[in-house]
This record gives sequence, C-alpha cells and structure tokens, in this order.
Amino acid sequence: SAVISQKPSRDICQRGTSLTIQCQVDSQVTMMFWYRQQPGQSLTLIATANQGSEATYESGFVIDKFPISRPNLTFSTLTVSNMSPEDSSIYLCSVEETHGWYGNTIYFGEGSWLTVV
Amino acid sequence: DAKTTQPTSMDCAEGRAANLPCNHSTISGNEYVYWYRQIHSQGPQYIIHGLKNNETNEMASLIITEDRKSSTLILPHATLRDTAVYYCIASPSGNTPLVFGKGTRLSVIA
Repeated sequence: SAVISQKPSRDICQRGTSLTIQCQVDSQVTMMFWYRQQPGQSLTLIATANQGSEATYESGFVIDKFPISRPNLTFSTLTVSNMSPEDSSIYLCSVEETHGWYGNTIYFGEGSWLTVV
Repeated sequence: DAKTTQPTSMDCAEGRAANLPCNHSTISGNEYVYWYRQIHSQGPQYIIHGLKNNETNEMASLIITEDRKSSTLILPHATLRDTAVYYCIASPSGNTPLVFGKGTRLSVIA
C-alpha cells in the first residue's frame, strides 16, 4: 500500500495566520483527497486534487480559504488561510491506489493536527 | 454513495470475535463495501473491501449478504489495540472519494 507522509504532524497557530500542510506519497498516484476532521466529528471531504488541474472543492469549502497545489503525481499541499479557532482540526491527505479487477483502495496519511489560538 | 447504517457503539471481550454489522440497503451494483478504522488521533486505516464475495485478509473477514444489503466485519480475536471507531462505506471504486458516516465505536474490554 502507498506510504503517505504529512508535515507538520502537529502545530499550534496564531489566529489570522496561514499554514501549509504537505503531503508526500511514495508512489505516483492520480487521485489525492484532502479531508478535515473537527474534534469529536467524522471526516469531511474538503477537495479532490488531480495533477495538472484545479482542485475540486466540496460545498462549504472555497479555494481562497483552502488553496491546494498538486505539482506532480507524488506531492500536494493544502493551505489553511487566515485561520480562526474554528479551523482547529485534523487535516488528512489521502490517495487512491488502483488494484485493477479488485477495485481501488484509498489510503490515508497520519494527519496534521492544527490548533488555532 | 449509498448510505450506510451502523450501531453507534459496541463492546467486545478481549480474545473473542468482534462482529460489526453494517446496513447498506440502497447499495448500487457498482458500489463496493469498504471498512476502515480510526484509532484515536490517527489517520483512518484501511481494513478490507469487497463487492459481493466474502473476503478475508490478515486483519479481518468481510461477510456480505447475497442481496448485498448488509455486511459484517469480523475481527476473529479482538485485542485491546482493536479499540477504535470502525467505518463502513459503500462507494464506487475509482476516482471517487469516500464519504464517512459516524461509524461504530468498538471498545475491547479486558
């Protein structure tokens, strides 16, 4: 399975600042997804990031707040802009791996814990 | 994605089999059943998935009913480290993100 590394793993951020989360995969993947998990909640999809095209955002998430880059098939970044305490969450990168007839599988990184103070 | 229904929580004695049910009565023919778990503060871990046949791997077994409207994840010998939230997701395979529900919180008790 794909090995996914996220940086930072944890950070405390000041209100009004921005932070960029990096996601590195050990193999080339077409589909990458970014999720948010607020305290005590389930995972919510932020956007889908394909290499060479603009990210596709889910309802309630906008590019100005969560700009995403996908420069190649092994790397992506998510920026959380102008942070407020409501942005305190775990941010998760995930990738889709193709297994042919058996269907695809999505794997997750360990997440980036952001606390906004 | 088809909606799934899972119990909110379950307990299981250590060493016994944990059987986690999932209802997906509106599943489409092209949707797989995926199971993930999330141990506190970690990213979701893939467990197993299947389309219509029962599946087994080193972590668990997945039993899918013949009409595909429900399934059961079986952890054959639960340990304390299996305490986690388990998510059952029905989703097409390929270029489709997973939609997570609330899952089942499994507590393995010594």
